[in-house]
This record gives sequence, C-alpha cells and structure tokens, in this order.
Amino acid sequence: DAGITQSPRYKITETGRQVTLMCHQTWSHSYMFWYRQDLGHGLRLIYYSAAADITDKGEVPDGYVVSRSKTENFPLTLESATRSQTSVYFCASTDGSRGSRKTQYFGPGTRLLVL
Amino acid sequence: GDSVTQMEGPVTLSEEAFLTINCTYTATGYPSLFWYVQYPGEGLQLLLKATKADDKGSNKGFEATYRKETTSFHLEKGSVQVSDSAVYFCALSDLAQKLVFGQGTRLTINP
Repeated sequence: DAGITQSPRYKITETGRQVTLMCHQTWSHSYMFWYRQDLGHGLRLIYYSAAADITDKGEVPDGYVVSRSKTENFPLTLESATRSQTSVYFCASTDGSRGSRKTQYFGPGTRLLVL
Repeated sequence: GDSVTQMEGPVTLSEEAFLTINCTYTATGYPSLFWYVQYPGEGLQLLLKATKADDKGSNKGFEATYRKETTSFHLEKGSVQVSDSAVYFCALSDLAQKLVFGQGTRLTINP
C-alpha cells in the first residue's frame, strides 16, 4: 500500500536493550523525520534527514541513532533503552526542497514501553 | 528558538457549539503555520495550513487566519460535531522543513 508505515506498532522492552523502530514511505519523499510524543510536550523532533545519507539532530537526539541508506527507509535505534524513552514515536515525510515548507505526512506511530 | 504556544485543554463543548483554540508563535523567520488533528490511536493528519500573512486556511468547516501582527493562528469552527473530538496541534515549519509543535489541545464534544 502507498503511504508511510511504521513497525512495530507496539513494543515492550527492558532497560538497556537495543531497539530499532522502522519507518518506510512509498512516495520517494526527500525529507523524513522522527518525533516523539509525550504528555505535556506535544511532539518533539528527534532526528531528521533531508536525503539519503544526510541526517541531522533535532531537539531531543540523545540516546538515539538514525541512518538513511535508502530514500524510502529511515530506521530509529535506541542503543540502550531507558525508561525515559517510553513514548509514542511518529515518523513523517515530506517532499520539496529546503524552504518549500510542504505538508508533512505522518505514520500511525509506534507505542514503546521500556520496563 | 522557534516555539508554539496553544491553549491548554482539555476543552469540552456541546454539539453545535462554537469552537476557538488559541495558538501563538515565536519565530525568527517567516514560518508556515499548520493545524494537525490526531484521532484516537492514529497518527497526525493535516487539518489546514497557511503560508503567508493574512492567508486563511480552511477544511471541514475549520478555519484559521495567519496573523503576523499578533503572531497568531487561532483555530475556529462555527458548529462542532461529536466526530470532531480529537487532539489538535498547532505547528510552524521552518526553512529546514522541521515542524515545531504546540502542546496539543484535547477536544471532547458531547452530544
């Protein structure tokens, strides 16, 4: 199906484990983003990517790693999960060049619980 | 840095009531402004947007006007329905396409 998908949708893990959240989009959008959603904070940007092999930090990058070897995929890895990383994670994508301010399209989210 | 402040919720209204959710922003540049809506268990969907001063975005009976002089982008709807119950986020977009979100406002409409 066309669109933006995330997997898994739900994940329970333990403190100290490595976890990878997957994001895949079928539009060939150049930009991709990872946000986390926490009560009282809205959504905060973790990392973003303007193109394959180009990534940059957002507002809350500590404890996370990203890569983008292919345009359509943008995995997010928690190298050693902590309880404070319990959250709902959203991936998003958009096309256009820098400054074009196009609409971002969001995936359905991954709900992560770190015990 | 850029920031967005929106009306804290939760907001509870009766069906057919008038809705306003306030949103103000601080930005060094000239951002685009967005309202996104999140229905229970789902991701965010674009509700409307405006890209320059005095632009009015509208969709599904919702409206918001980009007011540069008051740095505001308030969301309004003349007659809400139960199906409008959701969380609403105001956001701005910078040159790098990054979105900065407000805290979100949970809206509940009672029949």
